[in-house]
Order: sequence, then C-alpha cells, then structure tokens
Amino acid sequence: DGGITQSPKYLFRKEGQNVTLSCEQNLNHDAMYWYRQDPGQGLRLIYYSQIVNDFQKGDIAEGYSVSREKKESFPLTVTSAQKNPTAFYLCASSSLAGVLDTQYFGPGTRLTVL
Amino acid sequence: KNEVEQSPQNLTAQEGEFITINCSYSVGISALHWLQQHPGGGIVSLFMLSSGKKKHGRLIATINIQEKHSSLHITASHPRDSAVYICAVNYGGSQGNLIFGKGTKLSVKP
Repeated sequence: DGGITQSPKYLFRKEGQNVTLSCEQNLNHDAMYWYRQDPGQGLRLIYYSQIVNDFQKGDIAEGYSVSREKKESFPLTVTSAQKNPTAFYLCASSSLAGVLDTQYFGPGTRLTVL
Repeated sequence: KNEVEQSPQNLTAQEGEFITINCSYSVGISALHWLQQHPGGGIVSLFMLSSGKKKHGRLIATINIQEKHSSLHITASHPRDSAVYICAVNYGGSQGNLIFGKGTKLSVKP
C-alpha cells in the first residue's frame, strides 16, 4: 500500500529537549511538506522540500529544523528554541511542487510539551 | 495579504440534509483544494479544482474564479460525513505551497 506514515502518533517532551518527528512516504513523490495545526487556526507551513538535499523555510520555521537525505524521508526536529511547540504536526507530499497536484497527508503526530 | 475565509465555522445538520460550505479568497489562485479532516486528525484530499465544478459521489465542489469563491456541497448528508472540511488555495509560484482556511466543523445528527 502506498502512502505516508508519521511516527509516533503521540509524543510527550519535557521543556528544553529536542525531539524528532518521523515522516516517510513510498509514493515516489519529489515534494514533501511539514505543517503545524493549532486549535482554531488553519494549517501553517513550517518547511518544505522539492528535492533531495534541498529544503526551504515556510511561514513559521523558527525553532524547527529538517533534513532530506533520502527521497522517502523528511524528518522534522522541534528544537528547544521553539517557544510553543505543543501542537498537531502533519506531513504531506506531492509528486511535483509548484505544479497543480494533490497533496497527500500523513496521519499526524500530536506533540505535547510537559 | 493572501487570506482564505471559510463559512460557517460550525455547522450542525440532520441526516439527509443538503449541506453547503463556503470558501472565499483574496487574490488570484492557481488551484483550490477541499480537504476533509476526521476526528483522529488525518486529512484526506477531496477535490482540487481550478475552474468549474467537480463531483465525486455525494460531494460536489464548485469554483467561481471571477468572484474568488468556492463551495463544497454534500447531498443526502450522513453521520459519517461529520468532520472538519478545510479549504486551501495554491497561489502559484515554484513552491506549490498551500494557504489554508481555518476549517468548517460539520456535525450530522442521525
């Protein structure tokens, strides 16, 4: 089955710790995205990548970092510099960025900072 | 500023009712997407459209480019349609980034 997986589904972190959220896709998509969702707000773009070894900041990149060493994988690290990290994080992918194409979403990771 | 506005914010319907959710945006777009988010959080893409109308089962999406407005209709609504429906637009450019509305929470009562 093709799709996007995110792990873990729920994640708890102590203040001051870095944590990495996993996102893997087997759809052979070039573009991958990370979004953050907060209650009462629309999804906001954190980072995106159009090709391996390249990524760009989105609207709210501060306190986050990413890597794209493989086409299938786009992990997101929430660093201790992120002031309000508790949120629902969604990863997505599409076959070609900048072209009219559907984005496919993973199931999400809910991060809670204790 | 590019904005996406949805209405209503919350909607409660009886099973079988015809439902309309609206989306307005502020500047010209390449494409508009309708997404469905279930209580567990996962998001499914329902439609992507840049003009006219699309239909899939009981769901119909329309877009009026001149008025910068789109509607999502659900015919013969069912409790399993209960979800948050999200409108998102692609303003073009090389990134393919989407700008999202805040969503419409739909609850269909049996």
